Amino acid sequence: GQQVMQIPQYQHVQEGEDFTTYCNSSTTLSNIQWYKQRPGGHPVFLIQLVKSGEVKKQKRLTFQFGEAKKNSSLHITATQTTDVGTYFCLSGAGSYQLTFGKGTKLSVIP
Amino acid sequence: DGGITQSPKYLFRKEGQNVTLSCEQNLNHDAMYWYRQDPGQGLRLIYYSQIVNDFQKGDIAEGYSVSREKKESFPLTVTSAQKNPTAFYLCASSSLAGDEQYFGPGTRLTVT
Repeated sequence: GQQVMQIPQYQHVQEGEDFTTYCNSSTTLSNIQWYKQRPGGHPVFLIQLVKSGEVKKQKRLTFQFGEAKKNSSLHITATQTTDVGTYFCLSGAGSYQLTFGKGTKLSVIP
Repeated sequence: DGGITQSPKYLFRKEGQNVTLSCEQNLNHDAMYWYRQDPGQGLRLIYYSQIVNDFQKGDIAEGYSVSREKKESFPLTVTSAQKNPTAFYLCASSSLAGDEQYFGPGTRLTVT
């Protein structure tokens, strides 16, 4: 499958601070999905981005897809302890979503 | 209750034994996937299936086998040829290949 780089690998923030994770690909993506995995749990779908330059919001979460469709970001405003977990991007090429980024593990210090 | 079930949650085997992990979904999804997750790592695709009686290798298929005889079921066999089988195994399904994936709770396999 294609390669997608996700950074940072870890992020420790104070509760109330913002958090951003990035996924970057060397090739153009057809779409990108974001998932959250709580400690000890399984990944849960958050959102899918398809259009160039697309921005979607879910409460404190903002998702962006780059103009060239080679990168994407997930931004959390004013983190809470419930945001703890690992966030993964899943890049799509053609019909298949087959390559997960390695994830960004978010720790929130109360 | 709709969803994906994986059993068992924890599985222990001796080296040299084959073991089959169960994955069942009642979401009427066409596509199903198997991933492996190692501590601190992302998910790596083992096999996927778009339709009954058809499946394709993912990035790390060596030492694994699957079958898709029924739409609801996609069992994964970890064979003795898999050099490092101890891992967390996740099964997922999606309506069609490329749609959002729904994950099962996972099976944690330990081989000693």
